[in-house]
Amino acid sequence: EPEVTQTPSHQVTQMGQEVILRCVPISNHLYFYWYRQILGQKVEFLVSFYNNEISEKSEIFDDQFSVERPDGSNFTLKIRSTKLEDSAMYFCASNPRDTQYFGPGTRLTVL
Amino acid sequence: AQSVTQPDIHITVSEGASLELRCNYSYGATPYLFWYVQSPGQGLQLLLKYFSGDTLVQGIKGFEAEFKRSQSSFNLRKPSVHWSDAAEYFCAVVAGSGAGSYQLTFGKGTKLSVIP
Repeated sequence: EPEVTQTPSHQVTQMGQEVILRCVPISNHLYFYWYRQILGQKVEFLVSFYNNEISEKSEIFDDQFSVERPDGSNFTLKIRSTKLEDSAMYFCASNPRDTQYFGPGTRLTVL
Repeated sequence: AQSVTQPDIHITVSEGASLELRCNYSYGATPYLFWYVQSPGQGLQLLLKYFSGDTLVQGIKGFEAEFKRSQSSFNLRKPSVHWSDAAEYFCAVVAGSGAGSYQLTFGKGTKLSVIP
């Protein structure tokens, strides 16, 4: 069964550094998403992406964040200058229409 | 704005006992509702979903949920819990808007512990 994959599984970075989190959505899906889950808190929507552009974004998704689909398979989330509060689990999801399938997540630790 | 409330932060049940996890939503239109499960260190796995039609929906692993519009609820149930069901359970509603985006709004989750 096709799955959403994410790399790396764990990323440790220094505050102020740029990080890129990678996702490979399910191949025939059209909508792509990033969510984050700070430890002990609920999962929060960051951004949705469709037809090579952002369709919705939350207030969390400020100018430090960007998303890109650089080729036909990858979907990336870039954080330009990481802050301590960016430490979280980041989930990628995709759906063909209205049911999202999640990847296993990337745990980002900012020191 | 849409919201999801899961009033129980932590529930402990004995193996073999029945389970009901509560979920209440606030959404102006007809909701799309989901239950996801997250095992420790894992991602989110879809258990079941409700879009329309029969208000009792069946999911994987023996779970079911019932949509009650009058109570704005979508409670998850299982008649007999197994030790492997110990995990965190999230209820979510689609806050879809234009351009076909179907972003989910999640509840805070209910952690389920199972006693042997």
